[in-house]
Amino acid sequence: GDSVTQMEGPVTLSEEAFLTINCTYTATGYPSLFWYVQYPGEGLQLLLKATKADDKGSNKGFEATYRKETTSFHLEKGSVQVSDSAVYFCALTHTSGTYKYIFGTGTRLKVLA
Amino acid sequence: NAGVTQTPKFRILKIGQSMTLQCAQDMNHNYMYWYRQDPGMGLKLIYYSVGAGITDKGEVPNGYNVSRSTTEDFPLRLELAAPSQTSVYFCASSGERTGGETQYFGPGTRLLVL
Repeated sequence: GDSVTQMEGPVTLSEEAFLTINCTYTATGYPSLFWYVQYPGEGLQLLLKATKADDKGSNKGFEATYRKETTSFHLEKGSVQVSDSAVYFCALTHTSGTYKYIFGTGTRLKVLA
Repeated sequence: NAGVTQTPKFRILKIGQSMTLQCAQDMNHNYMYWYRQDPGMGLKLIYYSVGAGITDKGEVPNGYNVSRSTTEDFPLRLELAAPSQTSVYFCASSGERTGGETQYFGPGTRLLVL
């Protein structure tokens, strides 16, 4: 079945450091890919998404590129801030045949001032 | 536009008690979902609904029931609460079933079963 694998956390960085959170997936066909972010005490909210191969999703300085050849959707940010401290979830869904979303286990990011 | 709302925010139950977690959305979304999130883990789908009157099981439905009598509301019922149901519960909704559809999440209900 479909699955999403994320790098283990927690990830601890200093402010202004470069961030990469790895995400790979297993799925048939061409799923849509998402990154969601969960701030402390809140629900998940969409950070960015990509719906086809080679698409780049971006938002708030975060970017991720849909790589079909490596089945990856790694999240990057050039300069993290303390306010980026949160849990990040990679997810996928298919364009047809299912209403379900598959989430990774989440990666906790802590940014130190 | 409140989005997805959930009540209560926090609840303590004794083993064997029952309760209903409320979820409502005002975006006229057809698709609604209930997830549980255990500490340090990802989200597991409990039940979902594709429209009023239509529900189906997810990965972990045992011990739960749902109903969907209106487009807006999707309550989750816990019968005979057990310590294994201690978790954070999230309700979510999404619009039409097309590629790349975003899910919108509520703030969650933290449940402790003692």
